[in-house]
Amino acid sequence: SYVVTQPPSVSVAPGKTATITCGGHNIGSKGVHWYQQKPGQAPVLVISYDSDRPSGIPERFSGSNSGNTATLTISRVEAGDEADYYCQVWNSGTDHVVFGGGTKLTVL
Amino acid sequence: QVHLVQSGAEVKKPGASMKVSCKTSGYTFTTYGITWVRQAPGQGLEWMGWINTYSGNTNYAQKFQGRLTMTTDTATTTAYMELRSLGFDDTAVYYCARDIGGFAGDAFDIWGQGTMVTVSS
Repeated sequence: SYVVTQPPSVSVAPGKTATITCGGHNIGSKGVHWYQQKPGQAPVLVISYDSDRPSGIPERFSGSNSGNTATLTISRVEAGDEADYYCQVWNSGTDHVVFGGGTKLTVL
Repeated sequence: QVHLVQSGAEVKKPGASMKVSCKTSGYTFTTYGITWVRQAPGQGLEWMGWINTYSGNTNYAQKFQGRLTMTTDTATTTAYMELRSLGFDDTAVYYCARDIGGFAGDAFDIWGQGTMVTVSS
């Protein structure tokens, strides 16, 4: 089965840029979606299809995808960005959705 | 405004079944599929499966094959997820979510509030 790997944690100071990766074999050929989840809340879609930002999501959130790594970038990080972030891909080999294990973003 | 409102928390005995509802509003129900995702305490998101609300076709994750059934009621624009033969490791928050384009691999743009299901003897 297709496996996607995220770092368990990322720390960043306020105002700096956070980079969260999602690794998988040839993931650049797949559409990657990103979700933000705060404690006790449902996930929120922040990036779809590698780099599309849904309405209402700040421009500080951006995404890219190439080769074996997809990346979620959060610029000018704020305290309110502290959350778990998950990537999601479609495994066409099994016709199943795959989530990454999640990355806990800590704002120092 | 688009909303997905799920049924309330449940406590189940091992071996029992659970059925969670997901009442939708604010959009044409049969235009978008519904996926179900669960999250065990302190763990990540786990995709369970997806239902095409227009055709009723389903796509279940391999690990749930045989004990998972997803259905819809178009008259009430409600989706249902039934999981049978519950074990302690089925204790989780269960979410329904709408896909953005009618495809199981789409992004999920609107989520229900989650339903906590506890399996306890």
